[in-house]
Amino acid sequence: NAGVTQTPKFRILKIGQSMTLQCAQDMNHNYMYWYRQDPGMGLKLIYYSVGAGITDKGEVPNGYNVSRSTTEDFPLRLELAAPSQTSVYFCASSYDQGLGQPQHFGDGTRLSIL
Amino acid sequence: AQTVTQSQPEMSVQEAETVTLSCTYDTSESDYYLFWYKQPPSRQMILVIRQEAYKQQNATENRFSVNFQKAAKSFSLKISDSQLGDAAMYFCASSGNTPLVFGKGTRLSVIA
Repeated sequence: NAGVTQTPKFRILKIGQSMTLQCAQDMNHNYMYWYRQDPGMGLKLIYYSVGAGITDKGEVPNGYNVSRSTTEDFPLRLELAAPSQTSVYFCASSYDQGLGQPQHFGDGTRLSIL
Repeated sequence: AQTVTQSQPEMSVQEAETVTLSCTYDTSESDYYLFWYKQPPSRQMILVIRQEAYKQQNATENRFSVNFQKAAKSFSLKISDSQLGDAAMYFCASSGNTPLVFGKGTRLSVIA
């Protein structure tokens, strides 16, 4: 059971570099989410998607971009990496949202920007 | 907008004892759901228990149960017969028609 798969698990970037965090789910979930978790904090929503071709901003979208061309994939793009984006990034998916369906999480990507 | 507050940054419990983690929330939605997630050192986010706000009966899952006080907007987690494997960060979260909103978490230590 793959569930939600995130790659890479760890990455170090230099300031100003760009990269894409990959996220894929094999549960045919409509909803997908990107969160960041800073040390000692809870998860904050960056972007989410309610289906292919539809994305929306969360609480902390600045500095990030997303796309959702397929149901399975929801990549997160950092264009100009900044030290403030050092964090652990979690991707999640759920079948629905308003019905209280639990979110399934990936194992996270630890990103350090130096 | 929804907010979730966990006022206990750290808690500890003796093995086999009972511990209660506190959570308060605020929401303008009439239909919503509350969750407790566990995050062990492996960093995985694991769903512990879920409560539907329109149900008055408190949810239970084996050693885990909640005390849901809707009027007080309180949603505490009780862990009975604590085990060493329960040591983790615990996050309270709320969702309705909007995505999950998380509290800052409570770090639970279990003392052998």
